[in-house]
Amino acid sequence: NAGVTQTPKFQVLKTGQSMTLQCAQDMNHEYMSWYRQDPGMGLRLIHYSVGAGITDQGEVPNGYNVSRSTTEDFPLRLLSAAPSQTSVYFCASSYGGVGSYEQYFGPGTRLTVT
Amino acid sequence: GDSVTQMEGPVTLSEEAFLTINCTYTATGYPSLFWYVQYPGEGLQLLLKATKADDKGSNKGFEATYRKETTSFHLEKGSVQVSDSAVYFCALGTGNQFYFGTGTSLTVIP
Repeated sequence: NAGVTQTPKFQVLKTGQSMTLQCAQDMNHEYMSWYRQDPGMGLRLIHYSVGAGITDQGEVPNGYNVSRSTTEDFPLRLLSAAPSQTSVYFCASSYGGVGSYEQYFGPGTRLTVT
Repeated sequence: GDSVTQMEGPVTLSEEAFLTINCTYTATGYPSLFWYVQYPGEGLQLLLKATKADDKGSNKGFEATYRKETTSFHLEKGSVQVSDSAVYFCALGTGNQFYFGTGTSLTVIP
């Protein structure tokens, strides 16, 4: 099992550009989520999905879109990048709701917006 | 709203010293509590968890007890090793929402 994979590992964008961060898991987990990690702020939940076709907002959803067409994939889209979106992004998956089940994290994508 | 407050770091200890990292939480319901660890350059890994009051989570010599009366979930280890150097995150999960503390960096020196 590869677990949770993320691509790319590093990305530099100019303000206003768009891009998609990819996330895939091969554990047949229903729950997937995206976090951003900023110094002194810990990790904050951006969006999550409880299954294919179902997504919802987390704590900091503005500026990001998600969709979940398959169980395996959960891409995160930045439609118009801003310097405030410079961060490290982590994707995670779990068997069920995060209130009870362990989350498995990907290795992260380091994004810089200039 | 729900939140987690975690002891600020960084923390530097000598090998075999006792470790405590404080964590308190605010929650309206009955959350589960977690400690995650992040080694340099890696994603987070679950260290231990507790799903109800008075539960004790334990793993790799680390322990934490879910204390509802003091809304706390402090992480302890009796004798740290150099390999325990990492960033430790306290976290709260409720329903489909998850909240992390700001993280505490631990460095263990030989």
